[in-house]
Amino acid sequence: DGGITQSPKYLFRKEGQNVTLSCEQNLNHDAMYWYRQDPGQGLRLIYYSQIVNDFQKGDIAEGYSVSREKKESFPLTVTSAQKNPTAFYLCASSRLVLGRNEQFFGPGTRLTVL
Amino acid sequence: QKEVEQNSGPLSVPEGAIASLNCTYSDRGSQSFFWYRQYSGKSPELIMSIYSNGDKEDGRFTAQLNKASQYVSLLIRDSQPSDSATYLCAVNIVPGGFKTIFGAGTRLFVKA
Repeated sequence: DGGITQSPKYLFRKEGQNVTLSCEQNLNHDAMYWYRQDPGQGLRLIYYSQIVNDFQKGDIAEGYSVSREKKESFPLTVTSAQKNPTAFYLCASSRLVLGRNEQFFGPGTRLTVL
Repeated sequence: QKEVEQNSGPLSVPEGAIASLNCTYSDRGSQSFFWYRQYSGKSPELIMSIYSNGDKEDGRFTAQLNKASQYVSLLIRDSQPSDSATYLCAVNIVPGGFKTIFGAGTRLFVKA
């Protein structure tokens, strides 16, 4: 079964803690992305990666970090520097075909700061 | 600031009617346009992609693109209660690029 998996589904964090969200894909996609969604709002891009060992900041990268050591994996760390981390986090992947970029999403991780 | 605008709704239509969802975008260089469906508490699901002016049909869904007017729409024919969801419009802002801008979504309710 090809797809994108994210874990955990729910995550609770105490203030001042760093937490890491997992994202794995077996679609052989080159590009991977992290988005944040707040209630009633659209998706905002945190980081994206086009190839292994390379990634770029999105629109709201402050307080987050990522790594891309393997094509299949793109973990996101939410650091204590992120002021308001409670949100729904979505990982996506895509392959670029003829200038088209269809992104497919994992099931998401809902992070709550206690 | 490159933007994608959608009416937040809710848009309410009776079962069997046509639902019309609209989206405008600001970047004239945009080349790729997408519609995602998102059920409450779930992740977005890609339902339509459109790359050239005109209409593209897939089952009950039709996407329409007008690059001159910077306008993209989604029509859902024979709307069903199971179509009740939030529909996100998304635009690739650079040809061949990896960044996609998402609209905030339009909530659709289909009344049985």
